[in-house]
Amino acid sequence: AQSVAQPEDQVNVAEGNPLTVKCTYSVSGNPYLFWYVQYPNRGLQFLLKYITGDNLVKGSYGFEAEFNKSQTSFHLKKPSALVSDSALYFCAVRDEDRGSTLGRLYFGRGTQLTVWP
Amino acid sequence: GAGVSQSPRYKVAKRGQDVALRCDPISGHVSLFWYQQALGQGPEFLTYFQNEAQLDKSGLPSDRFFAERPEGSVSTLKIQRTQQEDSAVYLCASSLGGRGLLYEQYFGPGTRLTVT
Repeated sequence: AQSVAQPEDQVNVAEGNPLTVKCTYSVSGNPYLFWYVQYPNRGLQFLLKYITGDNLVKGSYGFEAEFNKSQTSFHLKKPSALVSDSALYFCAVRDEDRGSTLGRLYFGRGTQLTVWP
Repeated sequence: GAGVSQSPRYKVAKRGQDVALRCDPISGHVSLFWYQQALGQGPEFLTYFQNEAQLDKSGLPSDRFFAERPEGSVSTLKIQRTQQEDSAVYLCASSLGGRGLLYEQYFGPGTRLTVT
């Protein structure tokens, strides 16, 4: 069964420090991985995705994520956090298209990131 | 440019009422998804359309939930005889490609449904 785990409900970092938001996944086929960010009263905004190729993926707003197949992880990172990065972050996985899944995303529960000045 | 829009943004319904939630996807997007997001949880899949065809409705929680996309663009999610457990944010997402294509999904702002 496909699933995503975000082990931390909250991550707190000081502005200017590096940040990491953790994600591990479980799929039966090849994983396609995504990170989304959600600001209050707004929909999910796409940050980046891993499909194949280079394990380090770069996305919007200076975020990047590292795919690690052996650890089944896809952690989100940023070298220097900004106060404006404070939001709710969701990791999602999509399995290879099969008759029963057809591109649906499986989301983690989300991690609230707070960056203090 | 125009993104995915949803209406209404907020809906309060008395238990037992029927509700209809609308989604306007990004123009030209083939795929359309509905998700349900309960408080403090990640979105959970409800149903998927490729153009006007509903190819996957396995996530709909009961037969009170019905979705359509008759002309392959606008979609409506209808909930009959609403129950308190239906209270959630309903998210619509669209994607450029159809099945087998790995485009990202773009989400609307959601409709927050509260059943009293």
